Amino acid sequence: KAGVTQTPRYLIKTRGQQVTLSCSPISGHRSVSWYQQTPGQGLQFLFEYFSETQRNKGNFPGRFSGRQFSNSRSEMNVSTLELGDSALYLCASSLSPPGQGFTGELFFGEGSRLTVL
Amino acid sequence: AQSVTQLDSQVPVFEEAPVELRCNYSSSVSVYLFWYVQYPNQGLQLLLKYLSGSTLVKGINGFEAEFNKSQTSFHLRKPSVHISDTAEYFCAVAAGNKLTFGGGTRVLVKP
Repeated sequence: KAGVTQTPRYLIKTRGQQVTLSCSPISGHRSVSWYQQTPGQGLQFLFEYFSETQRNKGNFPGRFSGRQFSNSRSEMNVSTLELGDSALYLCASSLSPPGQGFTGELFFGEGSRLTVL
Repeated sequence: AQSVTQLDSQVPVFEEAPVELRCNYSSSVSVYLFWYVQYPNQGLQLLLKYLSGSTLVKGINGFEAEFNKSQTSFHLRKPSVHISDTAEYFCAVAAGNKLTFGGGTRVLVKP
């Protein structure tokens, strides 16, 4: 079956712009999580959605937002981009989230690499 | 709150030598434990997981890990590494409704 698909794979923006990243989970997966990965900070949790509801949120400013649609596809948005937002943004899906029959297996996409100039 | 510590940020190792990646965690509740691997320019994929039962867990590509509850550790081992094992390895802990990743360990396999 098709894996997690993230688009776009690469993008370049300038400071002050905004960006929207898209994630299509594996068919049947209802939980989608987003992570930011940078060389300095490692893998940091952004937020998690299940059945169109945000269930968990990491320690990121309000410029970072997300949503999930009824077909489980998810988008994340970053407004007023800063240089420090340059990172690999990873999306992961699972059948159910932690605490609700979670098996622990997250299926990751290849990521969207954002460069802010 | 739970936390995960990977004690080594980088581990250089020669091909066909053994490797051990260390992971320690803290949590006030029972946990599930995982190791994920990230090859260059790819997302993460699950190597192995401990949910319950035998404390020695075998995963893909010849990796195994041992859960030690008293030492709150979940170290990853491979008896003989390949060049293709060059990657970053992440330990993760799931407790309640939260999944927490460690900082990662970069393994560089040298010929």
